[in-house]
Amino acid sequence: AQTVTQSQPEMSVQEAETVTLSCTYDTSENNYYLFWYKQPPSRQMILVIRQEAYKQQNATENRFSVNFQKAAKSFSLKISDSQLGDTAMYFCAFIQSQFYFGTGTSLTVIP
Amino acid sequence: EAGVAQSPRYKIIEKRQSVAFWCNPISGHATLYWYQQILGQGPKLLIQFQNNGVVDDSQLPKDRFSAERLKGVDSTLKIQPAKLEDSAVYLCASSLVQGPDTQYFGPGTRLTVL
Repeated sequence: AQTVTQSQPEMSVQEAETVTLSCTYDTSENNYYLFWYKQPPSRQMILVIRQEAYKQQNATENRFSVNFQKAAKSFSLKISDSQLGDTAMYFCAFIQSQFYFGTGTSLTVIP
Repeated sequence: EAGVAQSPRYKIIEKRQSVAFWCNPISGHATLYWYQQILGQGPKLLIQFQNNGVVDDSQLPKDRFSAERLKGVDSTLKIQPAKLEDSAVYLCASSLVQGPDTQYFGPGTRLTVL
């Protein structure tokens, strides 16, 4: 069975600093996709970044980047130059045939 | 481009009552998903449609939950009768194609069962 684990229920970071959110997953498959979604207090889930498992290069989107370690089944999200608007729940998600979400990390950016 | 629309945004009912949620996906998106998100947890997939056909409903409690997408566009999710443990946010999402495609989420419907 596929599972997604986010071991950090809550994190905080000072504005303009860098923070890394961790995610591990379990699968026996070789081809799959990983996502980080952001859910602000308004509760609309927004895609942050996605990574195809067959790609060795880590995905980046402006201030957001991932560290994808396929052998270790690890998919962490790095947020650089944190902004107040980054305060939200962050969910790691895995898809092979179905989407599986982790339990989320609540990130607070402190002014 | 309009996003995924859901209504109502909030609903409060008593246990054993019925409730229905509506979702309008992004135009042209063939795949539609319903998720249940209990407070403090990640979303759990309830059902997935490809056009008007069900792809996966393995986690849908079929004794009380039902969903349809008759014309392959809008979808409704119904709970009858509701239980206290059904209190959650119900999220609708859509994607252009089935499989590992980006899902776009609606604002959700927050259901409280008293």
